[in-house]
Amino acid sequence: DQQVKQNSPSLSVQEGRISILNCDYTNSMFDYFLWYKKYPAEGPTFLISISSIKDKNEDGRFTVFLNKSAKHLSLHIVPSQPGDSAVYFCAAITGGGADGLTFGKGTHLIIQP
Amino acid sequence: DAGVIQSPRHEVTEMGQEVTLRCKPISGHNSLFWYRQTMMRGLELLIYFNNNVPIDDSGMPEDRFSAKMPNASFSTLKIQPSEPRDSAVYFCASSFSSGQETQYFGPGTRLLVL
Repeated sequence: DQQVKQNSPSLSVQEGRISILNCDYTNSMFDYFLWYKKYPAEGPTFLISISSIKDKNEDGRFTVFLNKSAKHLSLHIVPSQPGDSAVYFCAAITGGGADGLTFGKGTHLIIQP
Repeated sequence: DAGVIQSPRHEVTEMGQEVTLRCKPISGHNSLFWYRQTMMRGLELLIYFNNNVPIDDSGMPEDRFSAKMPNASFSTLKIQPSEPRDSAVYFCASSFSSGQETQYFGPGTRLLVL
């Protein structure tokens, strides 16, 4: 049973517009959430994170929103740029440190010129 | 820093052979993680170490899989004997686990078992 779900395998957005990637989770013990970005033939790279005590975290063009009651988080990218084309993984973790991440299956974001 | 280093980057082997994947974590990190990525299951945690000690190996699929961390700068993931269904990309990640959850991933080893 998948504890972290990304229901959109792919998303196509026009350059300059907003990209919204969604993620749902089922385990209420998760207390920290992360987004990773992955290019082909490379490892995932950390993008942005949010603690369960917050509902929003912003870093430049990237904003993550957390709705704990709905067990839902989203990543907003605005404006979208061609270099944002990649696979985005939502991940969650329990505990305070050295635990493994539980990943969603990823959403392939394609930014069209 | 060079980041997490994995070797080899690509491995092609025949069913029944032993495969050893290697990882050098970022210097100063004290947690190390092995993940596997497949089309069917996505990215899944296999095992993780904290201060060189295996903490959770519940993700290791079978006894054919084993992992060691003899010191803070080196870890291996071994598959013996290998099977075609082990074909996947294997990632190593490390973190400094003093409350910081960000894990840094290596480039991965793409394994193909024929």
